[in-house]
Parts: sequence; C-alpha cells; structure tokens
Amino acid sequence: DGGITQSPKYLFRKEGQNVTLSCEQNLNHDAMYWYRQDPGQGLRLIYYSQIVNDFQKGDIAEGYSVSREKKESFPLTVTSAQKNPTAFYLCASTRSLDGRTGSNYGYTFGSGTRLTVV
Amino acid sequence: AQSVSQHNHHVILSEAASLELGCNYSYGGTVNLFWYVQYPGQHLQLLLKYFSGDPLVKGIKGFEAEFIKSKFSFNLRKPSVQWSDTAEYFCAVIRGGYNKLIFGAGTRLAVHP
Repeated sequence: DGGITQSPKYLFRKEGQNVTLSCEQNLNHDAMYWYRQDPGQGLRLIYYSQIVNDFQKGDIAEGYSVSREKKESFPLTVTSAQKNPTAFYLCASTRSLDGRTGSNYGYTFGSGTRLTVV
Repeated sequence: AQSVSQHNHHVILSEAASLELGCNYSYGGTVNLFWYVQYPGQHLQLLLKYFSGDPLVKGIKGFEAEFIKSKFSFNLRKPSVQWSDTAEYFCAVIRGGYNKLIFGAGTRLAVHP
C-alpha cells in the first residue's frame, strides 16, 4: 500500500544537538510538507517542497532545515538553534495542483514523530 | 494574523447533542476547504472537503459542513454526537493556485455519555 513513513516514532535529543527526522513517501507525490503540532496552536507549517531540489520556508522555519534530493524523501533537521523543539512533527504529501482547476487533490499525512528534548 | 480561525478551542457536549464548530478564513478568491479529525493517539484523518459545486458537503461518520462564501466560513456540523466523536477537529484551507495547506488552531471536543 502507498503511504508516508515517518521515523522514528519517538525521539529524544539532548540540548545543543541537531537531530534529523525522516519522511519517505511512495505515492509519487510531487509536494511534501513538514508541520509542527503543539497543543492549542494547531499545525504550523515549517517547510515545504513542491519539486525535487526546491523548497520554501513556511511560517515557523527558524531553527529548522530540510533537503529534497529525491522525490520520495524530505528529511527535516531540527538544529540547536530551535529554541523550543519539543513537539509532535507531522510530514505530509500531495500531488501538484490540478492544472485546469487549480484545485488540490488532498493531502496524505504520516503518523508523526514526537521529539522530546532532555 | 491568523488566516484560519476556529472559534472554540474546547467544546463539551453530552451524547445526542447537536454539534457546530465554527471556521472562518481570511483569503479572497478560490479556496479549497477541509476538516480533519484527530482521535486520541491517532493520525489526522480527513472528515470532508470542499473544492467546488454544492456548498453543503457530506463527510464520513455523519459529519457535514457548509461553505458560505459571503461569510468566509466553513462550519462543521453533526446532528447528534456520540462518545466516540471525542477528538480534536481542525479546519484547513488552501488558497486557489497555492499548494499549501493552512490549519486553524483546532477545537477539542469532549462528548460525555
């Protein structure tokens, strides 16, 4: 079955360390996204990528970095510059917009990674 | 400024009560609208979506939502809630021509038996 795989499910990091969260999809989707979920704040967009080798900052990109070397992979690095990294991180993907209508086909979400800084 | 606003952060209902969760967005022009649900300990699931056509959209589990363009709203409704509807509900919007999903802050619904 096609889907999105995020790993690991739980991750612990010491303060001052960088950590990379994995996101892989086999849906042949063009676009991939990283969201951060915090209680009472919903899901906020960190970074997104519409095509390979290209990505854009979302609303809360500071302290994070990404790469998109392959269509199926969009890893997120939480750097030591991120002041409050403890959160639940969700990866998502979708096809490109419909060329005729400009509509989105709908997103597929991974099961998330819960990062805790200790 | 919040581009997608959900009016209630916490809602508590008894079983069989009716539900309406508000959602407003601040974008003009064409929008795609979504409601997602997250049950405790589970992934986000799509409840329903609106792209075009009939503004009254029916989703899974008896939920429906109405798109009112003049009010920039997409409220979620269910005539009679069940204990199993206890979850967090997120409204989300994609502006026409942008492939970027923006979420509201979410509404936590607790249904008491």
